[in-house]
Amino acid sequence: QQPVQSPQAVILREGEDAVINCSSSKALYSVHWYRQKHGEAPVFLMILLKGGEQKGHEKISASFNEKKQQSSLYLTASQLSYSGTYFCGTDGSSNTGKLIFGQGTTLQVKP
Amino acid sequence: DTEVTQTPKHLVMGMTNKKSLKCEQHMGHRAMYWYKQKAKKPPELMFVYSYEKLSINESVPSRFSPECPNSSLLNLHLHALQPEDSALYLCASSQVAGVDTNEQFFGPGTRLTVL
Repeated sequence: QQPVQSPQAVILREGEDAVINCSSSKALYSVHWYRQKHGEAPVFLMILLKGGEQKGHEKISASFNEKKQQSSLYLTASQLSYSGTYFCGTDGSSNTGKLIFGQGTTLQVKP
Repeated sequence: DTEVTQTPKHLVMGMTNKKSLKCEQHMGHRAMYWYKQKAKKPPELMFVYSYEKLSINESVPSRFSPECPNSSLLNLHLHALQPEDSALYLCASSQVAGVDTNEQFFGPGTRLTVL
């Protein structure tokens, strides 16, 4: 089942913070986060594993709450380069490599 | 080399044509994937190859035929496509097929238009 992301779109000024949420109706073992810029391939940001460990990538961090079956991506002090569409991906079944992506959150950072 | 390459970048084909998409990686990854992405939508998984064997087929119509000649190459053969098959086709690879610890590296995609 497809995870649900919120919000669908965010517009920020440089330096502002944003949070993108990803929730699932089924138990999660891992959550992937990717960013895709217009006309480009999705780029891996991080994997969150069951256990709630918070991971970071530059000024982007994420958390994973398996009880709530959700993950959140935190973008702090946003930069113009953060603009793009963010997708969370969850494992479809039994760790087979089947990644199901949420519908995406479009982030636009303005000067 | 942490790159996945795809050729061609763009492809326009008629509904009666036969064409192939090619994907290559030299990272020693043993899992390779085909995704289809429509505009403003997330990538949708089509096929997964694990150690050169097809492990997942997401009920994709037979007009799409994947092939994995070796661990570095992945092809997608196209035949008798429909206009609604027009999309960006993304190839990806990962060390192995499990998602728990394996990030997927995506290629730039092939933009396919079916007339």
